[in-house]
Amino acid sequence: QKEVEQNSGPLSVPEGAIASLNCTYSDRGSQSFFWYRQYSGKSPELIMSIYSNGDKEDGRFTAQLNKASQYVSLLIRDSQPSDSATYLCAAPLMTTDSWGKLQFGAGTQVVVTP
Amino acid sequence: NAGVTQTPKFQVLKTGQSMTLQCAQDMNHNSMYWYRQDPGMGLRLIYYSASEGTTDKGEVPNGYNVSRLNKREFSLRLESAAPSQTSVYFCASSGRRVGEKLFFGSGTQLSVL
Repeated sequence: QKEVEQNSGPLSVPEGAIASLNCTYSDRGSQSFFWYRQYSGKSPELIMSIYSNGDKEDGRFTAQLNKASQYVSLLIRDSQPSDSATYLCAAPLMTTDSWGKLQFGAGTQVVVTP
Repeated sequence: NAGVTQTPKFQVLKTGQSMTLQCAQDMNHNSMYWYRQDPGMGLRLIYYSASEGTTDKGEVPNGYNVSRLNKREFSLRLESAAPSQTSVYFCASSGRRVGEKLFFGSGTQLSVL
């Protein structure tokens, strides 16, 4: 069982709409969470990090963290065709054997349709 | 700035052949990683090196070996390739703090026939 779970999608979003991506994690010790974006055939790149409960906004992206419920989400406002990519949720494991190692979810594919 | 450079970009092997994937970073990072990515599986950690001279197994280490040659370089070796090792391999590096941003190489598409 993966420690970080995401819906694989694809998530189809009309251009200009809000894309909502969800991620759940099982390691209660995790304190930091990351969203990476990966275009087809390319390597992942970090777009958001969040460490505290609540919302964090960066341009059209908002990350939301709820540690009590163990989920983290990413909202993409005013979605553009250039947002079409796979979004990977990641969290460092805090178990004795895996301290600090970043674990990724399977990724959610987002397709923005004109 | 080169960032993380990994070679080769593409490789086709026959079952049983060996090869080494090379990775180098020029950001003075302490930590380096090897991940593999398969459809529907996300990124899975193969091996990890927290600093020069240390390596640690990740989630899927079987069939692989690594060498942290110096602070810059971290290589991944397949001693006897198997079709199950067909995948896209990514090298990454980061600073010392837990969960610090990963910088990825451009990836290696490996096919084992």
